[in-house]
Amino acid sequence: AQTVTQSQPEMSVQEAETVTLSCTYDTSESDYYLFWYKQPPSRQMILVIRQEAYKQQNATENRFSVNFQKAAKSFSLKISDSQLGDAAMYFCASSSGANSKLTFGKGITLSVRP
Amino acid sequence: DGGITQSPKYLFRKEGQNVTLSCEQNLNHDAMYWYRQDPGQGLRLIYYSQIVNDFQKGDIAEGYSVSREKKESFPLTVTSAQKNPTAFYLCASSIVPAYEQYFGPGTRLTVT
Repeated sequence: AQTVTQSQPEMSVQEAETVTLSCTYDTSESDYYLFWYKQPPSRQMILVIRQEAYKQQNATENRFSVNFQKAAKSFSLKISDSQLGDAAMYFCASSSGANSKLTFGKGITLSVRP
Repeated sequence: DGGITQSPKYLFRKEGQNVTLSCEQNLNHDAMYWYRQDPGQGLRLIYYSQIVNDFQKGDIAEGYSVSREKKESFPLTVTSAQKNPTAFYLCASSIVPAYEQYFGPGTRLTVT
């Protein structure tokens, strides 16, 4: 079974600053994927970034990047140059196995101060 | 435009009634999923389907039923057996297993 843990329920960042959201996971699979999803007040889930476990290089998408530490089973999300539109709930998730079910963490609420 | 649609956005039902939530996708994705979201919780998987006419229970399937008669459609029925049905329900699809899932806008179900 997979587990995903997001231990910080809330974080706040000043506009234009950088913030890092933490996530740890546990899985017995050797081949798996990790994701960060954003859920703004509209509640639409939006994929932010994806990391394949077999890739050593950390994924990046514009202002979003991850720090993937496979041995430590850690998968943090860094948001650079934070914008007001980044305010949302962020979920870490993992997927593995033939059925590829997503397992989600409980999420973290990010607020951005103007 | 390709995407996933869920209807209705808000749904109100009396206790004891079954209710069906709609999920349609035109992305040509094989796999479809239903999740439930409660306040302070992550998403929990109810049912999923990887091909037409086949589906599997997720982590919290009790009190729910699904069908997958067409590739594009994966409706979820919340039955009267579901003890606490009031929640936000999200449908998702993916092109193949293990790839990222794309989500619909969700349905907020309130049962009184």
